[in-house]
Amino acid sequence: DSGVTQTPKHLITATGQRVTLRCSPRSGDLSVYWYQQSLDQGLQFLIQYYNGEERAKGNILERFSAQQFPDLHSELNLSSLELGDSALYFCASSVATRSAKNTGELFFGEGSRLTVL
Amino acid sequence: DQQVKQNSPSLSVQEGRISILNCDYTNSMFDYFLWYKKYPAEGPTFLISISSIKDKNEDGRFTVFLNKSAKHLSLHIVPSQPGDSAVYFCAAALSGNTPLVFGKGTRLSVIA
Repeated sequence: DSGVTQTPKHLITATGQRVTLRCSPRSGDLSVYWYQQSLDQGLQFLIQYYNGEERAKGNILERFSAQQFPDLHSELNLSSLELGDSALYFCASSVATRSAKNTGELFFGEGSRLTVL
Repeated sequence: DQQVKQNSPSLSVQEGRISILNCDYTNSMFDYFLWYKKYPAEGPTFLISISSIKDKNEDGRFTVFLNKSAKHLSLHIVPSQPGDSAVYFCAAALSGNTPLVFGKGTRLSVIA
């Protein structure tokens, strides 16, 4: 158990709809990352938040948005869904900075599998 | 443009033998490299890492080698066990609290 909790685990919806994926990071971790894994693709970085502020942006579509709340949980909002948005969405968390005491690795949740029909 | 490449989608190895998984990268500014293992229906889990100032890091059966001049790293698993069967992702990061850049993964099958 990584300590990162993602809900829902599975979600089936129709094109044009909007969904929200939720992530609770490990206790004490300030950084939250969202990754997308489509079929035969690696983990594509979407967006990172650090202590409530957007820190880095990757290949995130304009139809997607995210935020991190004061209690450090994060939500990823996907709107105007298309068939190609079907994927596994992973949330990961990490300590604030990489140091000799930690290797800077990310701790991943089990993912939310989104199916758009 | 993929900055981290794992050119072998799959690899099959007999139990007890060595598994070698390869990874190439293009960004010479990466200063930290990691390997993750992923079982079906689970999130990726950290396996081993290496800093760019080193060329080898060992942890039990797992050793990661880094060749900076060739922009290449490899993960050696010796001896391979059936429980090692999983998808292995190579990842790289710039300095500081930056997102990891992942390869597409290599599916390792260890045959008993």
